[in-house]
Amino acid sequence: AQKITQTQPGMFVQEKEAVTLDCTYDTSDPSYGLFWYKQPSSGEMIFLIYQGSYDQQNATEGRYSLNFQKARKSANLVISASQLGDSAMYFCAMREGSIYNQGGKLIFGQGTELSVKP
Amino acid sequence: NAGVTQTPKFQVLKTGQSMTLQCAQDMNHEYMSWYRQDPGMGLRLIHYSVGAGITDQGEVPNGYNVSRSTTEDFPLRLLSAAPSQTSVYFCASSWQEMNTEAFFGQGTRLTVV
Repeated sequence: AQKITQTQPGMFVQEKEAVTLDCTYDTSDPSYGLFWYKQPSSGEMIFLIYQGSYDQQNATEGRYSLNFQKARKSANLVISASQLGDSAMYFCAMREGSIYNQGGKLIFGQGTELSVKP
Repeated sequence: NAGVTQTPKFQVLKTGQSMTLQCAQDMNHEYMSWYRQDPGMGLRLIHYSVGAGITDQGEVPNGYNVSRSTTEDFPLRLLSAAPSQTSVYFCASSWQEMNTEAFFGQGTRLTVV
C-alpha cells in the first residue's frame, strides 16, 4: 500500500537561508508521482512542485527544488533563500499509477510546519 | 473561473444529525476526492472518484458516503454525525494523468457537538 511519511512536525529557518523538508514514501508501483503543497495560515492548498518516478532530473520551480532519491524512496523539498512568506504548513503527496498509466488516488503525509525567522 | 467550490464554509452539527457537504468543479476533471484535515494527521483521504458513476474508499471512509452522478459534482454525506468527525474537510479535483496537480476547494470547517 502506498504511504507517505514526513517526520518533521515543525522546523525553523532564518530568513534568506535554505531549508530542506523531508519526505519518504513507500510504494510497490514503478509508476508514481510526487507532489509538494503549501498551506498558509489562511488555509488554501497551493501546489508547488511535481516529480515523476521516471524523471531523470530533479524538479525545480523557482526557489523550490525537489531532491529525488529514488533508491532511498525520498523526495525532499528544498526552499532556497527563505522568505517570511514561506512560513506555512508543507505537505508531501504521492499518486500511484492505475490502469492505462493514469493517476490513481492521491495521498498526503502528515505535514511539516515551517517558521521563517526574520 | 470558479475552480473547485465547496459549500458551506462553516457548519455546526449536533451528534446524530446528517448533512451533505457540497463540492463542484468546472474544469471537467475526471478525478475528485474528499479529505479531512486534523492536527498532526495531515490530509487523510475519505473517498475518491475517477469519473461519473465510479467511487472508491480512501483511508478513512467510515461514517461517510459519496456518489458521483455527474462529472462536476461530488457530494460528501455524513450519515449520523459524531464528535470524531469534527474536522476541516477539503474537496479536490484533477485530471486523471499522473503528473497533474490537484486543485482544492476552500475547505469546510465542521464542528459536531
